[in-house]
Order: sequence, then C-alpha cells, then structure tokens
Amino acid sequence: ETAVFQTPNYHVTQVGNEVSFNCKQTLGHDTMYWYKQDSKKLLKIMFSYNNKQLIVNETVPRRFSPQSSDKAHLNLRIKSVEPEDSAVYLCASSLQANTGQLYFGEGSKLTVL
Amino acid sequence: QQQVRQSPQSLTVWEGETAILNCSYENSAFDYFPWYQQFPGEGPALLISILSVSDKKEDGRFTIFFNKREKKLSLHIADSQPGDSATYFCAASARSGTYQRFGTGTKLQVVP
Repeated sequence: ETAVFQTPNYHVTQVGNEVSFNCKQTLGHDTMYWYKQDSKKLLKIMFSYNNKQLIVNETVPRRFSPQSSDKAHLNLRIKSVEPEDSAVYLCASSLQANTGQLYFGEGSKLTVL
Repeated sequence: QQQVRQSPQSLTVWEGETAILNCSYENSAFDYFPWYQQFPGEGPALLISILSVSDKKEDGRFTIFFNKREKKLSLHIADSQPGDSATYFCAASARSGTYQRFGTGTKLQVVP
C-alpha cells in the first residue's frame, strides 16, 4: 500500500528548464529524504529533512534545492536542468532520522534532452 | 566513495535454487543493515534487516548472514521463485549517522 506519493512520475524537458518534483507522506513520519537513482541503479542521498529542518545536504549542484512546508511534504526543485540530471528521483520517509525502515515512493523519472 | 559494495552485479538462478547475494562495508560504525527489493518502475521496499548484534536473521525464505569481523553480510533466498526477480540493495547506517547508504545493487533473475 503506497504511503509516499510522488508527482509527477515522469517528466521530459530540455536543458536549461526548471523542474519541480513533489512528495507527500501519510505515515506521520518525522524524516523525509530525496535519493537520486542513476541509469546504473546507484542510489545516492541528496537531502534529508527532519521535522522541516534540513539535516543532510550531500554534495549536489546548487541548482538543486529542497523545499519543505511541513513534515509531511518535501519537494525538490531543479533550476536550469543539465543532461546529467536525467535520473529517477526517489522520495522516502522514516519514523525518525536514520532509524529503521525507509518507505519509498514510486519515483519521478526525469529525462533531459 | 562507495562505502557499501555488493556482488555479483547480476545473478541468474533456476527456480528452486538458493540465490546468494553478497554485501560488504567499510565503516565500523554501521550497525543496521536492511535489504531492499526493487521491481522495475517501483521504489525500493524493505525485505529484511539485521542489527550488528546478531549474526543471522531469518524471515521465511530469506536469511541474512552477518560477519561483523569481516564486515560482510549475505542474503540467501531459498527456493527462489520467478517472482523474486528484482534488484536487491544492501544498505547500512549507524546510530550516530543521519541516513542510510546503499550498495551498488544485485540484479537477480530466476529462470523457471
């Protein structure tokens, strides 16, 4: 049963455009994450928020910015996309920061032409 | 750098066989090791997990063997079924850390 919802599931755009991905979790968790999964299936952490506070910001280009309005929502904005941004962006949540199971959404696949 | 590694990259077994997926890590502070299963078009989902205080964890056909001294663990899938065909990720985290690190993944194909 899906409890982490991502929109859109797919997005095709051109280099230089802006893209936003939305994520909502209905589990009542305190912590949310954005992971990037590349074409080789490698999963890399990008950001982590605990109760609307940024706690992890791995080395990602400045054109990526997370936005959290409340602990149930974590969006990802990409200003001026580049070809290497083509990937699946996975949103996840956990009860607390770094404890236990991660619950993932279905992912948002970005293709940059 | 890649702190969690998996092998093999891909694995094909016959239905009914036991599939063995390997994982190794570098950081001695890691103490929680979940395995996730991912089907195409879906996000990863937790399959089974183990804490570093244990050396074995079983859940039905799935068993984790953990060797803390060698920093290695393995996932055994007994009586493999075609429905087990998926990509499996080993992950690791530390109580003092802030997020789970994922391995490179093993793509499993179970042939009928």
